Amino acid sequence: KAGVTQTPRYLIKTRGQQVTLSCSPISGHRSVSWYQQTPGQGLQFLFEYFSETQRNKGNFPGRFSGRQFSNSRSEMNVSTLELGDSALYLCASSLSTGGSTEAFFGQGTRLTVV
Amino acid sequence: AQSVAQPEDQVNVAEGNPLTVKCTYSVSGNPYLFWYVQYPNRGLQFLLKYITGDNLVKGSYGFEAEFNKSQTSFHLKKPSALVSDSALYFCAVRASQTGANNLFFGTGTRLTVIP
Repeated sequence: KAGVTQTPRYLIKTRGQQVTLSCSPISGHRSVSWYQQTPGQGLQFLFEYFSETQRNKGNFPGRFSGRQFSNSRSEMNVSTLELGDSALYLCASSLSTGGSTEAFFGQGTRLTVV
Repeated sequence: AQSVAQPEDQVNVAEGNPLTVKCTYSVSGNPYLFWYVQYPNRGLQFLLKYITGDNLVKGSYGFEAEFNKSQTSFHLKKPSALVSDSALYFCAVRASQTGANNLFFGTGTRLTVIP
């Protein structure tokens, strides 16, 4: 069974640009969550989608947005990139939302903003 | 509010010795607790979880964790460390009542197993 697939693995962008990251969850998983990982802030929750609806959102500015498609694939978009957006962005998929269900993570997209 | 504390940034242990990676949590109501491991340039890999019931939870690769409600702790353990266990370990909590799916992570503990 294929795991969570994130593309691309690495990105270099310039300040002010926008970027779109993609996540394909494990087959049958309907919940997709996004996390930002930085050395200073650790792992921080961005948002969660379930059945194409955003269920929960972390404390990030509106420049960070996402969506989920009918096949459960998800994208996140960051507009007007800032240097501080450089991070490893991790996608996680779960069978369902909430509760005791464990999340399975992809390998991440390493975004560097220059 | 939910939070997780991993009091040790770094843990060093000799190969073959037992290892413990500490985690304490704060959450309203009953917690769901998780341990993940991260190898360099990789995502997080699920090790084990505590939902309810037996306080000793067994997981992947010989790891286990002990839930202690009175001490609000969920320490990760392994009887005999391997060099290949060297990695970054994260403890995470999710409150059962909120309905929110997001995990709250600790800051991570880097485990180094010395040959």
